[in-house]
Amino acid sequence: DVKVTQSSRYLVKRTGEKVFLECVQDMDHENMFWYRQDPGLGLRLIYFSYDVKMKEKGDIPEGYSVSREKKERFSLILESASTNQTSMYLCASSLRFSPLHFGNGTRLTVT
Amino acid sequence: RKEVEQDPGPFNVPEGATVAFNCTYSNSASQSFFWYRQDCRKEPKLLMSVYSSGNEDGRFTAQLNRASQYISLLIRDSKLSDSATYLCVVNRKSGNQFYFGTGTSLTVIP
Repeated sequence: DVKVTQSSRYLVKRTGEKVFLECVQDMDHENMFWYRQDPGLGLRLIYFSYDVKMKEKGDIPEGYSVSREKKERFSLILESASTNQTSMYLCASSLRFSPLHFGNGTRLTVT
Repeated sequence: RKEVEQDPGPFNVPEGATVAFNCTYSNSASQSFFWYRQDCRKEPKLLMSVYSSGNEDGRFTAQLNRASQYISLLIRDSKLSDSATYLCVVNRKSGNQFYFGTGTSLTVIP
């Protein structure tokens, strides 16, 4: 069974802090994704990566960066957290054309 | 126009009822199709993939109509535990871009 693990379930940070969200998958998937989910807006893609050291901007990359140094790990970085980045963050992985497998999410609050 | 559109509901149905959800997609290059289930404050979980010939998994049946660009999910004999949000997800030919509907909320009432 695919396992996607996000490092924190709940996180509270202050405005201006640098925030790291970590995601690890154990199924050798080439694709990894970061989404945020907000009420009424659904899931929105922040960044995705289809290979080590490769990254592509999604629909809402502003204020975020990512890192993929190893195939199994995809990190999301909030360079300077702001209150409008309070959200549920979901990491996912997949093989090409195969379904997404999600981690259990990180609920981030920026105060 | 949105890539994927779903009726947000809510659908409130009695136990034992049959309920159907539809989802339309705008891009004919879409390749793979999925239904996910999301419980409140949890991550989405794959319910089933949708195949061209249609497919069934117990009480759940998924259909794809490429000509009209929609997919459907039918739930028979609804259970209280079916209460959740159901997300329609579409994947392009590139294989690594997924497009989500905003979800359809279902509540099964005793």
